[in-house]
Amino acid sequence: IAGITQAPTSQILAAGRRMTLRCTQDMRHNAMYWYRQDLGLGLRLIHYSNTAGTTGKGEVPDGYSVSRANTDDFPLTLASAVPSQTSVYFCASRPTGGSSETQYFGPGTRLLVL
Amino acid sequence: GENVEQHPSTLSVQEGDSAVIKCTYSDSASNYFPWYKQELGKRPQLIIDIRSNVGEKKDQRIAVTLNKTAKHFSLHITETQPEDSAVYFCAASKYNQGGKLIFGQGTELSVKP
Repeated sequence: IAGITQAPTSQILAAGRRMTLRCTQDMRHNAMYWYRQDLGLGLRLIHYSNTAGTTGKGEVPDGYSVSRANTDDFPLTLASAVPSQTSVYFCASRPTGGSSETQYFGPGTRLLVL
Repeated sequence: GENVEQHPSTLSVQEGDSAVIKCTYSDSASNYFPWYKQELGKRPQLIIDIRSNVGEKKDQRIAVTLNKTAKHFSLHITETQPEDSAVYFCAASKYNQGGKLIFGQGTELSVKP
């Protein structure tokens, strides 16, 4: 069981380019999330999805889009990257139903936009 | 919307001492408060959480206290060890309403042997 995986591990991207960060989980969790982590700012929610076919905006959604075609995958797309999107991106998933609120994080993607 | 403030930003203690990290939140409707530990270069991992119907929760050397009236909660680590050195994040959310976590800014804990 892999849990939750992200790809790529790291990426250097030219400003203006399009980029998709991949996130896959094999735990059959309904809810998935994308966060960005910047020094001194903690983790900030970009977009989320409570179940396949639905998505919602988090704290900092501008410049990002997501889709949730199935339970396992939750890709994050930067349509036209800008240097301020340089960050570490974490995907997370959470089981729904029952009493657990625990979010499980992927290993992260380090993105540098030049 | 919810805002979570975390203090201090850095904390240095001697091995064996206690460490306390404090967070305040703004939305009185928040009712779920997890704490995550993140080691250098690793992913955040849940270490303890508390719901608003409980005032305190303990797990071995780690405890969390919650004051709903004052809207603040704290992480207490006793008998600190060098492997406790990491960045700790508090967060708040509304249980059963999408699980959207709002995080504090993080506290870098250093435990000196």
